[in-house]
Amino acid sequence: DVKVTQSSRYLVKRTGEKVFLECVQDMDHENMFWYRQDPGLGLRLIYFSYDVKMKEKGDIPEGYSVSREKKERFSLILESASTNQTSMYLCASTMDGHGGAMADTQYFGPGTRLTVL
Amino acid sequence: QKEVEQNSGPLSVPEGAIASLNCTYSDRGSQSFFWYRQYSGKSPELIMSIYSNGDKEDGRFTAQLNKASQYVSLLIRDSQPSDSATYLCAVLASGGSYIPTFGRGTSLIVHP
Repeated sequence: DVKVTQSSRYLVKRTGEKVFLECVQDMDHENMFWYRQDPGLGLRLIYFSYDVKMKEKGDIPEGYSVSREKKERFSLILESASTNQTSMYLCASTMDGHGGAMADTQYFGPGTRLTVL
Repeated sequence: QKEVEQNSGPLSVPEGAIASLNCTYSDRGSQSFFWYRQYSGKSPELIMSIYSNGDKEDGRFTAQLNKASQYVSLLIRDSQPSDSATYLCAVLASGGSYIPTFGRGTSLIVHP
């Protein structure tokens, strides 16, 4: 079974702090994604990565950065946390994007509920 | 702008009934279609994927795809209270696209 883990289930930070969210997958997947999920807004893509050191902006990258130094690990960084970044953060991975029953299924981590005070 | 539309619900059905969840999409080039289930406070998990027009059955779940009309649906037969969750439709374009477009989800409530 594919396993995607996230460093924390719950996190409370203060405005202005630098926040690191870590995601690790154990199935040698090519692609990794960071989403945030808010009531009524659904899943919104922040960043994704299709290879080590490769990253591309999603729909809402402002205020975030990412790092992928190793294939299995994808980090989301909030440079200076703000209250409007309070949300559920979900990491996901896929084998690749070239079709096939398993290749493009998104496997999600358990999520990190971040509260910024 | 690729869009995936779902009725937010809640859709309320009695236990044992058939629940029908619908999803429409805007990108005619879409090739891969997914239904994810998300329990409250949990992360989404894949229920079914479908790639060809027609029906695909897996246990109590049937996915239906109609590319000409640009809709995909999920039928849940013999609905159980444990099926109560939010169901997310996701669509992936062809040509090596990595990024699915998710709908906002339909909340399903199965009452005893």
